[in-house]
Amino acid sequence: GQQVMQIPQYQHVQEGEDFTTYCNSSTTLSNIQWYKQRPGGHPVFLIQLVKSGEVKKQKRLTFQFGEAKKNSSLHITATQTTDVGTYFCAGRRNNNDMRFGAGSRLTVKP
Amino acid sequence: EPEVTQTPSHQVTQMGQEVILHCVPISNHLYFYWYRQILGQKVEFLVSFYNNEISEKSEIFDDQFSVERPDGSNFTLKIRSTKLEDSAMYFCASSSAETQYFGPGTRLLVL
Repeated sequence: GQQVMQIPQYQHVQEGEDFTTYCNSSTTLSNIQWYKQRPGGHPVFLIQLVKSGEVKKQKRLTFQFGEAKKNSSLHITATQTTDVGTYFCAGRRNNNDMRFGAGSRLTVKP
Repeated sequence: EPEVTQTPSHQVTQMGQEVILHCVPISNHLYFYWYRQILGQKVEFLVSFYNNEISEKSEIFDDQFSVERPDGSNFTLKIRSTKLEDSAMYFCASSSAETQYFGPGTRLLVL
C-alpha cells in the first residue's frame, strides 16, 4: 500500500535557525498537503501542492513538490517560538484517500 | 469562521462496549472523513464519505467500525465493540474541495 515517509522525527533548534522536514512517497502523488499540529491541538491545513516541481511560499515557510511528485519539503527560515508544533505531510493519490507522514516535531529554544 | 465540531471531547469506556463519536461538519461541505491519532503518533486515515456512502476506507476500518450521516448535518463514527488499542484521539474532518478542516477531536480511552 501507499507509504509516506517523513523525516526528521524530531528537531530542536535555537530560535533564528532554519528547519526543514522532508516527505517521500512510495507512489506518485496527485497532490500533497502540509498540516501543522500544535501540542494538544488538531491538524491545521497549511498548503496544498499539485504541480510537479511546484514551489510555494508563506512568509518564512517554503514548500516544494518534487519533479516526480513523490517527495516534498517544508523549509522554515529563521524559526520563531510560534513555529513550535508537529508538521505533517499528507499525500493523496488519485482518489479520496490521504496518507499522512509520521510528522516532524519541532521545538524552538528562545 | 465556520468550523467542524466534535462531541464529546473525551470519552471513557469499558472494553467491549459500543461508542458513538459525533461530528458536525462545516455546513456546505460534501466530503467527510474520520482519522485517528494514537498518542504521540501520526494521524491515520480511517474512512472518507461522500454522497451518503463510504468512498474509501483504510485497513484499520474493519467490521467493528461504521459511519453514518443520520440527519444531513451530523456525521458519526461507531465502534461496535471497543478494544484497548482503540484508545486514541479521533478527528473528524470535512472539505468542499481539497482543503480538509479538522475538528478538535474526541479523546477515547478504552479501559
